[in-house]
Amino acid sequence: GAGVSQSPRYKVAKRGQDVALRCDPISGHVSLFWYQQALGQGPEFLTYFQNEAQLDKSGLPSDRFFAERPEGSVSTLKIQRTQQEDSAVYLCASSFDASSYNEQFFGPGTRLTVL
Amino acid sequence: GDSVTQMEGPVTLSEEAFLTINCTYTATGYPSLFWYVQYPGEGLQLLLKATKADDKGSNKGFEATYRKETTSFHLEKGSVQVSDSAVYFCALSPSINDMRFGAGTRLTVKP
Repeated sequence: GAGVSQSPRYKVAKRGQDVALRCDPISGHVSLFWYQQALGQGPEFLTYFQNEAQLDKSGLPSDRFFAERPEGSVSTLKIQRTQQEDSAVYLCASSFDASSYNEQFFGPGTRLTVL
Repeated sequence: GDSVTQMEGPVTLSEEAFLTINCTYTATGYPSLFWYVQYPGEGLQLLLKATKADDKGSNKGFEATYRKETTSFHLEKGSVQVSDSAVYFCALSPSINDMRFGAGTRLTVKP
């Protein structure tokens, strides 16, 4: 596709439910990032992949958050036993290469609301 | 840790007015600096960047200069248009694949 796509665009979950958020990066992009954006705040880093390898997961807020990118393309961010504080927009971004600074291209985000 | 602080919004201007959105940073090294823009209903887009002191980034009439002496990267535009209405994020990258964003400044331009 022409850009980074994310699905679903909106997700409402009851507290305690598990959710899975999908990211389709730009074809051929090596690096993939997940961010969490709370209302009125800037994006905060969650995790980073280079191809299928998760090289940094230091931003994941708890062990309820898990991300994978098994074939080095599509990525899924999973949140288990959702809590109200997980309500946010989850952004995915991809970039072409990891060997030097490259622009990150962002998807439109998934807005998660936990009731 | 390394971070950016940007001017709180919202900012409301009339068309053709001059725009400044302030951004200052704290860093131990020599980060790259960025401005991202988020138009309504769209994802974040890179607006401009500067990778070293005294560099000026520019795009679509917007400019920002990397000022090491004042640790600033203020965004400016000489004459804003209604289509510039968006949320603007200042960001800092202390190293590759490490990007830290400010809280964002919402700009509304009225005709």
